[in-house]
Amino acid sequence: EVVMTQSPATLSVSPGDRATLSCRASQSVNTNLAWYQQKPGQAPRLLIYGASTRATGVPSRFSGSGSGTDFTLTISSLQSEDFAVYCCQQYNNWYTFGQGTKLEIK
Amino acid sequence: QVQLQESGPGLVKPSETLSLTCSVSGGSLSTFFWSWLRQAPGRGLEWIAYISSSGSTNYNPSLRSRVNISVAPSKNQFSLRLTSVTAADTAVYYCARVGVVGVRGPYDFWGQGAMVTVSS
Repeated sequence: EVVMTQSPATLSVSPGDRATLSCRASQSVNTNLAWYQQKPGQAPRLLIYGASTRATGVPSRFSGSGSGTDFTLTISSLQSEDFAVYCCQQYNNWYTFGQGTKLEIK
Repeated sequence: QVQLQESGPGLVKPSETLSLTCSVSGGSLSTFFWSWLRQAPGRGLEWIAYISSSGSTNYNPSLRSRVNISVAPSKNQFSLRLTSVTAADTAVYYCARVGVVGVRGPYDFWGQGAMVTVSS
């Protein structure tokens, strides 16, 4: 099983600032990596797939990068609606998810 | 816009079978693969199984012995059965669509989730 490890577990950032979230795979997943945003009581929302492609309707302040085992999600200027939990998922070898990073207001 | 909706009992007794159905609207089951996933309280997401409209399936090895996924294309539905449940199976259960042709892709559409509690 490919284990996905996200860091940090919690990230405190001020509105308008940049947030950088990390995701590491226990083995190479190429660019078969997605990022999701999840708010309390809601289903995950697809943000990024193919490591760097924004899903339909996702604002340009969200960007993804990386390949192989190390990936990054960057939110360039945090808006109030961006404070949520973010998780990564690999779909190179079945499907596994990270435990999530909670992005909270500083 | 594709929409998915889970339905089924919210409470299941230990050792019994959990059954959920996902109804898909706004699109056909054909072409895509469809999955069940779950999220236990305070935990990350876990993939359970996937199925195609033609019935091709695969299961998470950790759950394979207890899980069955089936499809009813004429009803635009697919279903999950999980046998011999324990408290560890308490979770929010989601149905979702693999957003590419084939199995190797992200989930682009999700149901709202169904909370299932295993308790006597």
